[in-house]
Amino acid sequence: GAVVSQHPSRVICKSGTSVKIECRSLDFQATTMFWYRQFPKQSLMLMATSNEGSKATYEQGVEKDKFLINHASLTLSTLTVTSAHPEDSSFYICSARLPQPRFPYSGNTIYFGEGSWLTVV
Amino acid sequence: GENVEQHPSTLSVQEGDSAVIKCTYSDSASNYFPWYKQELGKRPQLIIDIRSNVGEKKDQRIAVTLNKTAKHFSLHITETQPEDSAVYFCAAPRGGSGGSNYKLTFGKGTLLTVNP
Repeated sequence: GAVVSQHPSRVICKSGTSVKIECRSLDFQATTMFWYRQFPKQSLMLMATSNEGSKATYEQGVEKDKFLINHASLTLSTLTVTSAHPEDSSFYICSARLPQPRFPYSGNTIYFGEGSWLTVV
Repeated sequence: GENVEQHPSTLSVQEGDSAVIKCTYSDSASNYFPWYKQELGKRPQLIIDIRSNVGEKKDQRIAVTLNKTAKHFSLHITETQPEDSAVYFCAAPRGGSGGSNYKLTFGKGTLLTVNP
């Protein structure tokens, strides 16, 4: 399948600091990327939609000033968790949409990055 | 918005048996339904998807069926193997699948355990 790469895979930061997570589409251009958050043993919750060249759109209840998203190119979106607190500790996963069909999938397929484990101490 | 319900939350089968996971959705405009497999601590992997212009799709041991009238779709895994053990998520897009509506709403997941 299409490759989406996310970095770092694990990060530990101190309370009050900021941490940046990168999401790259390696073999296709992604005009739209998505950022999800997943707590242990729970489902994926969409945080925001990252649109290349424009502002991200955030889901209800997600603070845009806390979770800064930048989608400066067709292959890179970044999520910055600002002034991190222990309750921000979670698994953050990005995904990107592949617009063209790629066998055996039907097109407009969403592929996920490896995910980033954030621990705020 | 889209509401996706997934059942069961846990499923335990013997190796070689079949496993079926079911999902319902609320938005009748939805026309794309992917299934993801997630192993512990790893990314969700797309395993199969289906569009609403077909009722069934199969890829080796995995199949997905769709009933648009009833607004439900199911994942079928035959001849299960221990390596099939994982959490499986169904998903559906909000407001169909065109335009900016590629935002997926996920079911709560099914923990499948295949016992050797």
